[in-house]
Amino acid sequence: QKEVEQDPGPLSVPEGAIVSLNCTYSNSAFQYFMWYRQYSRKGPELLMYTYSSGNKEDGRFTAQVDKSSKYISLFIRDSQPSDSATYLCAMKDSGGSNYKLTFGKGTLLTVNP
Amino acid sequence: NAGVMQNPRHLVRRRGQEARLRCSPMKGHSHVYWYRQLPEEGLKFMVYLQKENIIDESGMPKERFSAEFPKEGPSILRIQQVVRGDSAAYFCASSPLQGSIDTQYFGPGTRLTVL
Repeated sequence: QKEVEQDPGPLSVPEGAIVSLNCTYSNSAFQYFMWYRQYSRKGPELLMYTYSSGNKEDGRFTAQVDKSSKYISLFIRDSQPSDSATYLCAMKDSGGSNYKLTFGKGTLLTVNP
Repeated sequence: NAGVMQNPRHLVRRRGQEARLRCSPMKGHSHVYWYRQLPEEGLKFMVYLQKENIIDESGMPKERFSAEFPKEGPSILRIQQVVRGDSAAYFCASSPLQGSIDTQYFGPGTRLTVL
């Protein structure tokens, strides 16, 4: 079983739709949860991070973490064509290797105008 | 403030040649991380370096791969005697502090193609 599972998609939605992206994980030591956005042929860009369980909102983006289910989500409201990218979940623990990010494979999202 | 810089952006090598990938961290950052993204795979941690020290190279293949971050100059990821399976995107990230939650900034990557 992979440490982090993420449906690679592709996911195609119309402009204005609500997008839900998800990851599951198996390592209960993970404490920090991140979402990165990666445009084609570019490096990952940090979008959101959450410590432990809970929700965090930033503009049109909401990140949720449910540690009891080992499940994290990213919601995008009023999606725009400029949101078209690959979304990567990443996580790390708070112990001695707290610098090491473990990534999902990424979900390719296309928002159609 | 310039971001993380990587060069070259694209590198083509024939089997058996050497590949050198360079990474200049953001100004003020002294921690560098290298990740590899194979086709259809997520980014995988390779190595973590501070100036003149390798802190964790547990994700790096034991043979042919090496990394350094000298006192002066960029961090270098070196792959000797490349094979087709080394074809991937190699990303460098930097941070000012170890373990800081929101400060691993990624460069644009070097895309290595081995013919």
